[in-house]
Amino acid sequence: LAKTTQPISMDSYEGQEVNITCSHNNIATNDYITWYQQFPSQGPRFIIQGYKTKVTNEVASLFIPADRKSSTLSLPRVSLSDTAVYYCLVGGISGNTPLVFGKGTRLSVIA
Amino acid sequence: EAGVVQSPRYKIIEKKQPVAFWCNPISGHNTLYWYRQNLGQGPELLIRYENEEAVDDSQLPKDRFSAERLKGVDSTLKIQPAELGDSAVYLCASTDRAYEQYFGPGTRLTVT
Repeated sequence: LAKTTQPISMDSYEGQEVNITCSHNNIATNDYITWYQQFPSQGPRFIIQGYKTKVTNEVASLFIPADRKSSTLSLPRVSLSDTAVYYCLVGGISGNTPLVFGKGTRLSVIA
Repeated sequence: EAGVVQSPRYKIIEKKQPVAFWCNPISGHNTLYWYRQNLGQGPELLIRYENEEAVDDSQLPKDRFSAERLKGVDSTLKIQPAELGDSAVYLCASTDRAYEQYFGPGTRLTVT
């Protein structure tokens, strides 16, 4: 299983763009990169998923370089409500390779 | 559309007592997961079901944990007997696409 490494915590002011980088040096050819968000007392929530280059949705953007050994989750203009733990996971989308959650990155947004 | 439903939300028991958690997945989701989340850690997979079949239970401590998913819909996770180290949040998730799992709110178990 591909292991991921991401910062333990990050702080940001409201309105700033936040970039959280995840390293996954031994990512396999058929692995996708998925990010989840978890608020206190709630289960994780899917944010975005990608395989290569750039993916954007209404919540975030995901940048994946050509070698796919890392990825960056970009949150535009964060607000206090974006304070949460963000998890980077790699795995196949077939379901046979289970998604493994690490400790995640605790993002604190400050007013 | 209703999300994943779990009950109870909180449970406090004494060690050596049994406990059970219930999960109702999103309608139509054939895949169901049970995770355990310790404080400050990410969720850890315990078991994965495809319909009523447990296809991955390699991380389930089988000496005291058991799970079932009768008729491929609702699922129950049981611990008997509970130990102090079992205190955690137990999360249920379901999906029809492996990478986009929908999680319930979890059951916070405290073993005293």
